[in-house]
Amino acid sequence: NAGVTQTPKFQVLKTGQSMTLQCAQDMNHNSMYWYRQDPGMGLRLIYYSASEGTTDKGEVPNGYNVSRLNKREFSLRLESAAPSQTSVYFCASSEAGTSGKETQYFGPGTRLLVL
Amino acid sequence: SQQGEEDPQALSIQEGENATMNCSYKTSINNLQWYRQNSGRGLVHLILIRSNEREKHSGRLRVTLDTSKKSSSLLITASRAADTASYFCATSYNFNKFYFGSGTKLNVKP
Repeated sequence: NAGVTQTPKFQVLKTGQSMTLQCAQDMNHNSMYWYRQDPGMGLRLIYYSASEGTTDKGEVPNGYNVSRLNKREFSLRLESAAPSQTSVYFCASSEAGTSGKETQYFGPGTRLLVL
Repeated sequence: SQQGEEDPQALSIQEGENATMNCSYKTSINNLQWYRQNSGRGLVHLILIRSNEREKHSGRLRVTLDTSKKSSSLLITASRAADTASYFCATSYNFNKFYFGSGTKLNVKP
């Protein structure tokens, strides 16, 4: 069981470039999430997907798009990267929506630097 | 913001002492969770407490929830150097969205 995996681990982009962050989970969870964590701060929710085929905005969705490709995979796309998007991005999954199973499992993170 | 807020921002104690950190939030919740983050790593779930529970234990961890004061506390007893990490509370309002506080950075000195 790999849990939640993320690729890439580290990426440097120039302003205006685009990229997709990949996330996959092998726990058969319905819900998946994308967060960003800026230095010294907590996590802020960018987008989440409560089930396959659905996505919803979180606190800070501007500048991002997501795709829930199937139950396992949830990708985050930056269409035109900006320096303000320099951050560490975490993907998580859970069985949220079912009482008693809201624990989130996190991936190791992707460190993104936008120059 | 609907985020919880942890207090203190940083805490430094000696090994063997107890560590207490607090979380306050703004609106009614379904549940509250505590997570640990070692430097540069992903978050690891520690404990979940529901809105109808007042106290929960897991090993050396004790969590309390006071919904009338909209606050929770995490107590780590007999702390160890390995407990050095950042601790975050996460509040859930609709079972699908979670809001994290900015964390308490705990340093346990050997």
